[in-house]
Parts: sequence; structure tokens; C-alpha cells
Amino acid sequence: DGGITQSPKYLFRKEGQNVTLSCEQNLNHDAMYWYRQDPGQGLRLIYYSQIVNDFQKGDIAEGYSVSREKKESFPLIVTSAQKNPTAFYLCASSIATSGRYEQYFGPGTRLTVT
Amino acid sequence: AQKITQTQPGMFVQEKEAVTLDCTYDTSDQSYGLFWYKQPSSGEMIFLIYQGSYDEQNATEGRYSLNFQKARKSANLVISASQLGDSAMYFCAMREGLDSSYKLIFGSGTRLLVRP
Repeated sequence: DGGITQSPKYLFRKEGQNVTLSCEQNLNHDAMYWYRQDPGQGLRLIYYSQIVNDFQKGDIAEGYSVSREKKESFPLIVTSAQKNPTAFYLCASSIATSGRYEQYFGPGTRLTVT
Repeated sequence: AQKITQTQPGMFVQEKEAVTLDCTYDTSDQSYGLFWYKQPSSGEMIFLIYQGSYDEQNATEGRYSLNFQKARKSANLVISASQLGDSAMYFCAMREGLDSSYKLIFGSGTRLLVRP
């Protein structure tokens, strides 16, 4: 079945460590996105990519980095420079052919940094 | 200024009744799209319904309909015949303009609880 996978579902790290969140899609979507969600709040855009080897910063890119070497994959690195990394991270993808650009989301990764 | 405003942090509805979740938006673009997503306790965001700014009719998808009032810049979600499984967070979102970035701006959400 087509969809978006994120791994792992739960991730625990010590402060000062970089951590990589995985996002893979087999929907053949061109655009991919990373969002952060804090408790009781909406989603905030971290980074997005419209095509392979290209990506742009979202509203809260500081302390994060991404790469887009393959159409199917858009990993997010949460660096030690991110001051409050504990959050729920959602990956999404979208296709333009519908004209609507609705985004389809993965199940999310809950990151806890202590 | 907030682009998407959801003024109801929480709502209750009796099972089988209809409920309206409010959403107002702010944009100067003529071309834009409005979305509603459902987020169950599992965390995944589920796309529910879409309304384009040039669509003349209100969007409907099964039990979901979008009450689009362009002049008032509102895009309320109506859920008919509520079910227990409708209990979740609901987010309104907007895509602005013809920019190809496809970025969505989300509101802060409304938590809906369906009472048996």
C-alpha cells in the first residue's frame, strides 16, 4: 500500500546529541515537508522540499537540517543547537496534479530529549 | 497577525447530532485553498475536506461539509450525525496564492469530544 512511513515512533535522546528522524514515501509525490507540533498547539513548518536536491526553510528551521537526495526520502536531523527539541514531528508529502496540493501525513515521531 | 484562527479550544457534541467547528482566515491573495484535518489521539493527521477560493459551491465529503463564506473569510467545518470515532483534534489550514511551494498554514485546533 502507498503511504508515508516515519521511524521510529518514539525516540529518546540525551541532550547534546544529534538525532535523525526518518521519512519515506512511496506515493511518488514531489513535495515533502517536516512539521513540529508541541502539546495543545498546531503544526509549525520546519523545512520543505519541492524537488530532489532542493529544500527551503520553513518558519522554525533553526537547529534543524534536512537533505533530499532521493524523491522518496526526506530525513530530518535535529541538531544539538535546537534548544527545545522535545516535540511531536510529522512528515508530509503532496502532489500538485490535483490542483489542491493537499498534504498527506505520516504517523509521526515523538522525540523526547532529556 | 494570525492567518488561521480557531476560536474554540474544545467542543462537546452529543452522538448523532451535528456540530460546527469555526475557522476564520486572513489573506490578501485571490487564489487560496482551505483544508480541514482530523488528528486522533494516535497523532496522524487525516485529510478531511478541501475548499478552493474560486469554488462556488460548498465542499462536501460524506458527513463532512465546509460552510465557506468568502466575504466573511470563514470556512467552518460541519460534521453531521456525530459518531464516537469523531472525537479528535481538528485543524483548519490554508494554502495561499499561486506560489508553488504548496505550504500550509495551520490553526491551533479544536478538540471535539462526542458524548454517547
